[in-house]
Amino acid sequence: GAVVSQHPSWVICKSGTSVKIECRSLDFQATTMFWYRQFPKQSLMLMATSNEGSKATYEQGVEKDKFLINHASLTLSTLTVTSAHPEDSSFYICSAVHPYSNQPQHFGDGTRLSIL
Amino acid sequence: GQQLNQSPQSMFIQEGEDVSMNCTSSSIFNTWLWYKQDPGEGPVLLIALYKAGELTSNGRLTAQFGITRKDSFLNISASIPSDVGIYFCAGHSPGTASKLTFGTGTRLQVTL
Repeated sequence: GAVVSQHPSWVICKSGTSVKIECRSLDFQATTMFWYRQFPKQSLMLMATSNEGSKATYEQGVEKDKFLINHASLTLSTLTVTSAHPEDSSFYICSAVHPYSNQPQHFGDGTRLSIL
Repeated sequence: GQQLNQSPQSMFIQEGEDVSMNCTSSSIFNTWLWYKQDPGEGPVLLIALYKAGELTSNGRLTAQFGITRKDSFLNISASIPSDVGIYFCAGHSPGTASKLTFGTGTRLQVTL
């Protein structure tokens, strides 16, 4: 149980386009999800906390107008990278908080984003 | 923001050897967690520690929550090839709800 699915797992797109990444909790409801970014050979850096039914909370230095987060249901949060540029190329990982799990967060398998 | 420093940054060991890595913080944490990440995948939880001084094992893995609440270590005994990957510590600091801070990572390579 407590499966978190991300889609797509890999995407390549042209500079200037917008890309949407989905994070779904498949077998539980999650009022809170998190979005992380991981550059090659680096750690996971928290970008924002996604709260169902309310605005996301962004970490310092993360542009909320560039990284749009929508958590419209208890099983889905989306991250949209607007007007993406090559420097936005990274590995994006989401996680979800299961209300009854002894694990603090359950992680998806990540989305590899490459901007040409 | 807070940082968790892991050491060593990377390790090259032979199959069968024991491994030890640690994580330190400048401030206290309420929870310490150890994750393993394989290439192109999300992190997978190995061990969770919830109390200062706690020592917990999971198979060949053993981890401890430091008494000062500012450090933790992870030991892997009798390493095998599938132990290859990146190991991250992570923790909850007081007043941050369910947010996690991740360490800098330790890359483990196991040779036959």
